[in-house]
Amino acid sequence: GENVEQHPSTLSVQEGDSAVIKCTYSDSASNYFPWYKQELGKGPQLIIDIRSNVGEKKDQRIAVTLNKTAKHFSLHITETQPEDSAVYFCAALNSNSGYALNFGKGTSLLVTP
Amino acid sequence: DGGITQSPKYLFRKEGQNVTLSCEQNLNHDAMYWYRQDPGQGLRLIYYSQIVNDFQKGDIAEGYSVSREKKESFPLTVTSAQKNPTAFYLCATGGTGGTGELFFGEGSRLTVL
Repeated sequence: GENVEQHPSTLSVQEGDSAVIKCTYSDSASNYFPWYKQELGKGPQLIIDIRSNVGEKKDQRIAVTLNKTAKHFSLHITETQPEDSAVYFCAALNSNSGYALNFGKGTSLLVTP
Repeated sequence: DGGITQSPKYLFRKEGQNVTLSCEQNLNHDAMYWYRQDPGQGLRLIYYSQIVNDFQKGDIAEGYSVSREKKESFPLTVTSAQKNPTAFYLCATGGTGGTGELFFGEGSRLTVL
């Protein structure tokens, strides 16, 4: 089955700096790649996603890039703010054969003022 | 969140007891999922259901059971056979086939005493 690896496990940046989280996947047929943000004691919420027919997608300060050849995708957060502090999860899915997302182990992001 | 209700939010159980976690949704989604979250382990799939009266095992189904008698409800029973049940349990819903966004509940934290 699909195996998703996520790095780093923890990341600390100063407010205003950029943060980058990287994930790799094993199933070359995977075609859907969402990113979730989880605040303490709450359920994860989707912040951005990308499908395999697109190389990059942006939404204000957040962007995701996908390299299908290398089987990796990344989350980029620019101009970080303290409220960006949370755990971020990447996930992958082959929608033609799979029915549930496979998640990475998460990255704990801390943005210090 | 946003139409998914998990209860109870906190639950304590003695060893040897079964416990049932509730998940109710009003999003009219066909698919429902149960994930388990442990520190540093990400989200691991326990069971999922794409349609009423049908469900499949995920990666870590041993010691758990589910039912899907109604579209709105997907309860999870943690049985005494689950060797390490203390965890944060997340219910999610989505469209059939897993081709889109997953919506998560707020989670239930189970502690075995």
